[in-house]
Amino acid sequence: QVQLVESGGGVAQPGRSLTLSCAASGFTFNTYAMSWVRQAPGKGLEWVALISYDGNNKYYADSVKGRFTISRDNSKNTVYLQMNSLRPEDTAVFYCARDLVSYGSGRQFRHWGQGTLVTVSS
Amino acid sequence: DIQMTQSPSSLSASVGDRVTITCQASQDISNYLSWYQQKPGKGPKLLIYDASKFETGVPSRFSASGSGAHFTFTISSLQPDDIATYYCQQYDNLPRTFGQGTKVEIK
Repeated sequence: QVQLVESGGGVAQPGRSLTLSCAASGFTFNTYAMSWVRQAPGKGLEWVALISYDGNNKYYADSVKGRFTISRDNSKNTVYLQMNSLRPEDTAVFYCARDLVSYGSGRQFRHWGQGTLVTVSS
Repeated sequence: DIQMTQSPSSLSASVGDRVTITCQASQDISNYLSWYQQKPGKGPKLLIYDASKFETGVPSRFSASGSGAHFTFTISSLQPDDIATYYCQQYDNLPRTFGQGTKVEIK
């Protein structure tokens, strides 16, 4: 069955960096777009970034553009989120999510990981 | 960005009640809308996509409709297992945007 396992969360000081990983299994990873979606404590869902199945196309929310970088390694079935210049408002649970259909454009999110908590605080 | 406005933000209903949530988009998004259910401490679960298409295994007491800018999500007979927060999400444009959520509780 499809599994998405996020890791790399933790506590970081403002201005520092963290890299999140999402290890995927149970499906043909290199045919699905992948996204990161975050949820601040007690708040709603916010889409963060999207990468196409082949890694050639990447899209970001304005709130993270220029600070976060999404990437993927299809040989390792893993998607990453490099987060630089972290701010307190980046504190959230970060979920990776798989597209509904293969070769899609990251529109509907059929599978989600359990999330990894990022806390930005001095 | 397309703004998604859900109402109500929370509701309390009795087991067996009919519950309806609405989602209004700030512009026409055709039928490019999904509904998710999120239980505490868990990732969201996709219930409905393309405004009214069911994911496999979704109970028949759930239904959804709408197109353009106005959408509804209905639970015909609320069950204890339905206690969760429900989100709509548009995928007509980037950035993908979610409604603020509707927390459903049992009275």
